[in-house]
Amino acid sequence: AQTVTQSQPEMSVQEAETVTLSCTYDTSESDYYLFWYKQPPSRQMILVIRQEAYKQQNATENRFSVNFQKAAKSFSLKISDSQLGDAAMYFCAYRTNFGNEKLTFGTGTRLTIIP
Amino acid sequence: DAGVIQSPRHEVTEMGQEVTLRCKPISGHNSLFWYRQTMMRGLELLIYFNNNVPIDDSGMPEDRFSAKMPNASFSTLKIQPSEPRDSAVYFCASSLLGTQYFGPGTRLLVL
Repeated sequence: AQTVTQSQPEMSVQEAETVTLSCTYDTSESDYYLFWYKQPPSRQMILVIRQEAYKQQNATENRFSVNFQKAAKSFSLKISDSQLGDAAMYFCAYRTNFGNEKLTFGTGTRLTIIP
Repeated sequence: DAGVIQSPRHEVTEMGQEVTLRCKPISGHNSLFWYRQTMMRGLELLIYFNNNVPIDDSGMPEDRFSAKMPNASFSTLKIQPSEPRDSAVYFCASSLLGTQYFGPGTRLLVL
């Protein structure tokens, strides 16, 4: 079974600085998707970024980018120019591209932004 | 465009009562998912449907839980009878091309 590990329960960053959240996963498959979701205090799960495993290019969405290392099974999220609104729980998630569409989530990293 | 809609947003009930959670997926999406979030177990899939057919219900805790999707625009998750350990946030999500979009969740408290 696939597993997703987020080894940093909590992180903090100064406003306007850059922070990187770590995620590793375990799978024997070669074709899959990886996601980062943000959960602010409102509890809404918001998609931040998505990466297809077959793409070598790292995904970017404005201030958010990933460092996808397929061989190392690593998928970190970099947030540049951190803003107060980035404060949230961040979840890494895995989905196979073979059949079952369910997401397997990590345990989350709580990100605090220091003004 | 409207996102995934869930109702109610909050539910407080007493042990033994029936609880029904509702979800309206994004129009045109063909897969629908029910997740549960607790402090102890994190986010876990309960069941998902593709084209209204249940595909994976291995996460449904026990017979007290049931889910239906009578048409492409509506799904229910029912707990009968409810127990205090069912207290959690229940999310519905829908997808079309592999990316899941979540509803705001239903916070359930069973006393």
